Amino acid sequence: DAGVTQSPTHLIKTRGQHVTLRCSPISGHKSVSWYQQVLGQGPQFIFQYYEKEERGRGNFPDRFSARQFPNYSSELNVNALLLGDSALYLCASSYPGRNTEAFFGQGTRLTVV
Amino acid sequence: AQSVSQHNHHVILSEAASLELGCNYSYGGTVNLFWYVQYPGQHLQLLLKYFSGDPLVKGIKGFEAEFIKSKFSFNLRKPSVQWSDTAEYFCAVNAPNFGNEKLTFGTGTRLTIIP
Repeated sequence: DAGVTQSPTHLIKTRGQHVTLRCSPISGHKSVSWYQQVLGQGPQFIFQYYEKEERGRGNFPDRFSARQFPNYSSELNVNALLLGDSALYLCASSYPGRNTEAFFGQGTRLTVV
Repeated sequence: AQSVSQHNHHVILSEAASLELGCNYSYGGTVNLFWYVQYPGQHLQLLLKYFSGDPLVKGIKGFEAEFIKSKFSFNLRKPSVQWSDTAEYFCAVNAPNFGNEKLTFGTGTRLTIIP
């Protein structure tokens, strides 16, 4: 079975540009979450979407936005990129429930120069 | 708000040594607890999870963890480590709410096993 897939795997952008990261969840999973992992730290929660609705938002500026499509895939958009946005962006999918586990993709390595 | 503390930032062990990685969380209600592993160049993988029931949880690759509610702890253990256990280990917690599975992670522990 295909796991969570993310694209692209690596990306280099210039300060001030915007970027779109994509995620396809595991088949049957309706919940998608996005995390930012800065080098040397644990993943930080950015967004969660379930059934195309935002269900949670972490402590990130409005430059970060996301959406979920009818096929449950998701996009993360970041505008006006800063050097500090350089990180590994992880997508996780899960079958929603009170007790459920998240499955992570390989991530997109974003470098802002 | 939830928070997770992992006290060991970098642990170096020889093969066959025993392992215990500490994890403490801060949250007043019911929690789900997880340990994830990130091998070099690979994605985060679930080692084990605790939802309810027996506080001693067994996971993959010989790992286990014990939930001690009174200490807000969920330490990871393995009796005899192998070189292939070299990786980054993350403890995580969330509240069991339907449709809101936000995970709060610790800062991670880098484990290096010397052959």
